[in-house]
Amino acid sequence: QQQVKQSPQSLIVQKGGISIINCAYENTAFDYFPWYQQFPGKGPALLIAIRPDVSEKKEGRFTISFNKSAKQFSLHIMDSQPGDSATYFCAASKSGANNLFFGTGTRLTVIP
Amino acid sequence: NAGVTQTPKFQVLKTGQSMTLQCAQDMNHNSMYWYRQDPGMGLRLIYYSASEGTTDKGEVPNGYNVSRLNKREFSLRLESAAPSQTSVYFCASRDRTYRDTQYFGPGTRLTVL
Repeated sequence: QQQVKQSPQSLIVQKGGISIINCAYENTAFDYFPWYQQFPGKGPALLIAIRPDVSEKKEGRFTISFNKSAKQFSLHIMDSQPGDSATYFCAASKSGANNLFFGTGTRLTVIP
Repeated sequence: NAGVTQTPKFQVLKTGQSMTLQCAQDMNHNSMYWYRQDPGMGLRLIYYSASEGTTDKGEVPNGYNVSRLNKREFSLRLESAAPSQTSVYFCASRDRTYRDTQYFGPGTRLTVL
């Protein structure tokens, strides 16, 4: 049973466009929602994270939007660049827990 | 700081062979994790160690064993490898003090024939 559902599986965006990746969860106890970025041949690395006390968090061109009532959160990449081409994973966990549940990943390709 | 290191980077095994994947971190983190990554399945937790001397099963522990040798090292053992264990394996350590970040190693690509 997938604790975090992620879509789309793959995404192709033109340079300068907006990339949007969506995730949904069921467990209302989750209170920490990070996004990880993974380049080919590398391990994932934390990109940005949000807690449910805010509805949006922005770091540079990357923004997480969080909808607590819908149990959904999304990653927006503004002005997408070819260097953003990677696989993105959303994840969720609850405070004090040891497990981090990952989505299935989205392979983003930004074409020049 | 080397961060999280893993050895080997690549490995090919025959069905029934055994091997140990090594992981070490130099960030003084208490928690360490082993994940496997398969196409379309994301990252799935195999085992984790919340602190030195403790280990617990994750989502997909069958066919694996782990040892938390000390605070730095956390190894994953396949006693009798099966083709279904063909995957990319990642070790991670967790920093609860900075955005609760998990730091991942570069991965081990394992093929079981």
